[in-house]
Amino acid sequence: SAVISQKPSRDICQRGTSLTIQCQVDSQVTMMFWYRQQPGQSLTLIATANQGSEATYESGFVIDKFPISRPNLTFSTLTVSNMSPEDSSIYLCSVEGPGLRYGYTFGSGTRLTVV
Amino acid sequence: QKEVEQNSGPLSVPEGAIASLNCTYSDRGSQSFFWYRQYSGKSPELIMFIYSNGDKEDGRFTAQLNKASQYVSLLIRDSQPSDSATYLCAVNDPHTGGFKTIFGAGTRLFVKA
Repeated sequence: SAVISQKPSRDICQRGTSLTIQCQVDSQVTMMFWYRQQPGQSLTLIATANQGSEATYESGFVIDKFPISRPNLTFSTLTVSNMSPEDSSIYLCSVEGPGLRYGYTFGSGTRLTVV
Repeated sequence: QKEVEQNSGPLSVPEGAIASLNCTYSDRGSQSFFWYRQYSGKSPELIMFIYSNGDKEDGRFTAQLNKASQYVSLLIRDSQPSDSATYLCAVNDPHTGGFKTIFGAGTRLFVKA
């Protein structure tokens, strides 16, 4: 399965600022996803990062708040914009396994605290 | 509303016992089912996937699928303290071509030494 490097691993940010999270995969993958996991909660899909086109956002998530880039098949970024304390969460990128039937591989996550 | 339901636990079992984790799902069209293990402060790690009714064994883990009843379970034999984690059940969303996955809230497992 793919190896994913996700940066930063954690950050403490001021309210109103933005943070960009990077996800680098060691092989080309078709599907990349961005998830959020709030404390004690399960995973919520933010968006699917599409290579060469705009990301596909889930209900409740908008591009202005969570802009995503996917310039190639191994890299994606998620920006959390104009942050508020409610954005404090763990953000995870994931890619499909060797085929969608084999589940996902997750990055190590970014623990974001907004103060 | 597509849902994956799990008992949040915690489920506590003694070392060496069998831990049984259960999950139900709402969409009959789902075809792929996954179990992830998530240690505290870490990201989820895939441990089992199953597509066909019946049992699938991998080492100390057995996944069981019953599509008629819409449930999937995970058995951990000879439980070890290192198995203490949150176990997430996940199901593919057939209305998205199968490439999106719906996660349950997870069951916390404690294995007592």
